[in-house]
Amino acid sequence: NAGVTQTPKFQVLKTGQSMTLQCAQDMNHNSMYWYRQDPGMGLRLIYYSASEGTTDKGEVPNGYNVSRLNKREFSLRLESAAPSQTSVYFCASTGGAGGPRDTQYFGPGTRLTVL
Amino acid sequence: AQTVTQSQPEMSVQEAETVTLSCTYDTSENNYYLFWYKQPPSRQMILVIRQEAYKQQNATENRFSVNFQKAAKSFSLKISDSQLGDTAMYFCAFMKRSNQFYFGTGTSLTVIP
Repeated sequence: NAGVTQTPKFQVLKTGQSMTLQCAQDMNHNSMYWYRQDPGMGLRLIYYSASEGTTDKGEVPNGYNVSRLNKREFSLRLESAAPSQTSVYFCASTGGAGGPRDTQYFGPGTRLTVL
Repeated sequence: AQTVTQSQPEMSVQEAETVTLSCTYDTSENNYYLFWYKQPPSRQMILVIRQEAYKQQNATENRFSVNFQKAAKSFSLKISDSQLGDTAMYFCAFMKRSNQFYFGTGTSLTVIP
């Protein structure tokens, strides 16, 4: 049981490049989340998916798109990266068998730098 | 809108002593959940303790306990017998029924040997 996995762990992009951050969970959870963490700002929600087939904007969705590919996978895409998107990105999930519905399980994070 | 406030950006405590981290939140909801997460230098987010708003009894997990004051919208974390491994960022978080989470800006705790 790997929990929540994220790839890649590190990434450097040039301004204007695109990339997709991958997230997968093997806990049969219904809800999945993408956060960004910046110094002094804590964790801010980018997008979340309450269940397979649904996605909703969080606090800071501009510049990002998401896809809930299936119940296990939730990807985050940067179509045209900007230096302001330099951050650490966390994926998380809640709900389903194997754990309390109301507890979030986090992935290890992706450190993204946009030059 | 929901907000979570952690007013102590940094704190320190002597090893084996007790420290309390503060958290306040603002919500119009009646049913919700509160959490404390720990983030060590490895950056992994680790659940420390959680509290259901409908429960009056304060949650405890070994050396970690909370003081939940619903009317005051306050949710502080007490760490007893502090250990060097407790050095980390601590985040207070609020979850409403829609499963949407809100986090505070964190408190950096240093345990001094």
